[in-house]
Amino acid sequence: GAGVSQSPSNKVTEKGKDVELRCDPISGHTALYWYRQSLGQGLEFLIYFQGNSAPDKSGLPSDRFSAERTGGSVSTLTIQRTQQEDSAVYLCASSLTWAGGYEQYFGPGTRLTVT
Amino acid sequence: GDSVTQMEGPVTLSEEAFLTINCTYTATGYPSLFWYVQYPGEGLQLLLKATKADDKGSNKGFEATYRKETTSFHLEKGSVQVSDSAVYFCALSVGQFYFGTGTSLTVIP
Repeated sequence: GAGVSQSPSNKVTEKGKDVELRCDPISGHTALYWYRQSLGQGLEFLIYFQGNSAPDKSGLPSDRFSAERTGGSVSTLTIQRTQQEDSAVYLCASSLTWAGGYEQYFGPGTRLTVT
Repeated sequence: GDSVTQMEGPVTLSEEAFLTINCTYTATGYPSLFWYVQYPGEGLQLLLKATKADDKGSNKGFEATYRKETTSFHLEKGSVQVSDSAVYFCALSVGQFYFGTGTSLTVIP
């Protein structure tokens, strides 16, 4: 079956512009996660959704970052007024549910470059 | 809080050498433990997992045993291949996932 998909795969934007990153999780997966991976670094947790709700937004780096999920499916991560330090690979993952024990399935990521 | 600490890399081994990548965890509850692998130019994929103490996860010749007494989940492989060159991430889940910083492995012929 289809895995997690993300779009765009690459995004180059000018400093100060807004960007939207999209994630399509595996069908039926109720939990969805966003991470950021900077060059040579580990995974930085940003936010997770259980259904359409995001119980914990404390991982978002600043108020320029926001995320939403609609219909328990597609999620959008929006970065406003992008800065050069936002350049990274943004990864989305989904799992059957938020409860422990279920593995996450990752998308291929969106590589964001802010010039 | 919950966290994972894994061995820093990079690690370079010759083909057929024995591999150990150490991973220890801190968790307030009863986490599930995972190893993920990221091959060059690819996304993260699950390598193996264990959901309770003393469970052993295994896949592609890799093994890791959930040790509650030492709060560890070390990754091992008896004979590595060039194709095992990748970055390996240890992770725990108590609902939310916590990932280690990753260990880069290069296997040379």
